[in-house]
Amino acid sequence: KQEVTQIPAALSVPEGENLVLNCSFTDSAIYNLQWFRQDPGKGLTSLLLIQSSQREQTSGRLNASLDKSSGRSTLYIAASQPGDSATYLCAVPFSGGYNKLIFGAGTRLAVHP
Amino acid sequence: DAGVIQSPRHEVTEMGQEVTLRCKPISGHDYLFWYRQTMMRGLELLIYFNNNVPIDDSGMPEDRFSAKMPNASFSTLKIQPSEPRDSAVYFCASSLAPPQPQHFGDGTRLSIL
Repeated sequence: KQEVTQIPAALSVPEGENLVLNCSFTDSAIYNLQWFRQDPGKGLTSLLLIQSSQREQTSGRLNASLDKSSGRSTLYIAASQPGDSATYLCAVPFSGGYNKLIFGAGTRLAVHP
Repeated sequence: DAGVIQSPRHEVTEMGQEVTLRCKPISGHDYLFWYRQTMMRGLELLIYFNNNVPIDDSGMPEDRFSAKMPNASFSTLKIQPSEPRDSAVYFCASSLAPPQPQHFGDGTRLSIL
């Protein structure tokens, strides 16, 4: 059964720091992994999607890597800004599936000026 | 381009009442997903549709929950009778064929007294 764990649960940093958020999953037979952002009172916004054949994806100051063999993904945020404050969730498809996503509990990030 | 639209944004009702949540997916998206988010259990998939047909409802907690998609632009999630433990934020999401990212609405915050 696929399980997704995110560490740390919460993070508070000063503006300008480079950050690493971690996601681990128990079943390495995944088709892809996605990172989402959730702002308070809002739905989720897809940030990056990494296919199983890829090792990383980049979008602006965000870089996500995927190591299927070890069951890990990291989200790297460069030069953090207060506007990056949000909860970040990773998600993978259910074991053997493609359409159904299972989400981690998220990392709650606060970037203070 | 309009995103996923959910209504109502907030619902407060008494135990035993019927609750109907509504969702309008993004035009052209043929997948629709209903999720529930709570502090204890995180984000859980309840049911998803493809081309208006329910594909997997294994996440629906009980017979008190039902979902319909009468056409490509409208879906409902109904709880009857409602119970306090149903209190949560319910999200609707839509997408093109996976692994295209899912687009989430802003959710309905449901409180059952």
